[in-house]
Amino acid sequence: NAGVTQTPKFQVLKTGQSMTLQCAQDMNHEYMSWYRQDPGMGLRLIHYSVGAGITDQGEVPNGYNVSRSTTEDFPLRLLSAAPSQTSVYFCASSYHPDRADGYTFGSGTRLTVV
Amino acid sequence: SQQGEEDPQALSIQEGENATMNCSYKTSINNLQWYRQNSGRGLVHLILIRSNEREKHSGRLRVTLDTSKKSSSLLITASRAADTASYFCATYLKTSYDKVIFGPGTSLSVIP
Repeated sequence: NAGVTQTPKFQVLKTGQSMTLQCAQDMNHEYMSWYRQDPGMGLRLIHYSVGAGITDQGEVPNGYNVSRSTTEDFPLRLLSAAPSQTSVYFCASSYHPDRADGYTFGSGTRLTVV
Repeated sequence: SQQGEEDPQALSIQEGENATMNCSYKTSINNLQWYRQNSGRGLVHLILIRSNEREKHSGRLRVTLDTSKKSSSLLITASRAADTASYFCATYLKTSYDKVIFGPGTSLSVIP
């Protein structure tokens, strides 16, 4: 099925642990982004990429790293998890932000840091 | 800070009524997009309107854009219970790189 696949769907981490949230798309999209969603805050942009090898920071990049070695994959790394990073994380991709079909979103990863 | 702000934060209407949600933003944009999110799910793209457009339609959806007021509205006509969801506006900013920034959303409840 074509789309954006995020793994895992749920994760519990202890403070200080590191982990990688996986995101893969099979639509040959150049643009990929990571957002976090917190109650009442909508979606906030963490990092984004405009193509393989090119990434940039969004609104809330601290505590997260990304890399884009292939067009298909855009993993998000939490370096040292903190309770403030408890959130739902969404990965999204598109051919271009100005195309009429917009972003395609994954189903999300619900992360709890204890 | 977030680029888009939706208004109202929550809206409750009867099935068959029209629902109107508004979005204001702060800077110049290339386009504005609306998305829907059903509870606990990923977002689904509804419609995109470019900065040189004033109005677009898609089925029961009507979107307007007023760049002089930096605002947009989403109208859902003849609402259905299945329209119950959160609705988000997102703005595309053409800078040195390309960002899509979301607002906090409007929660719509359609009562059967």
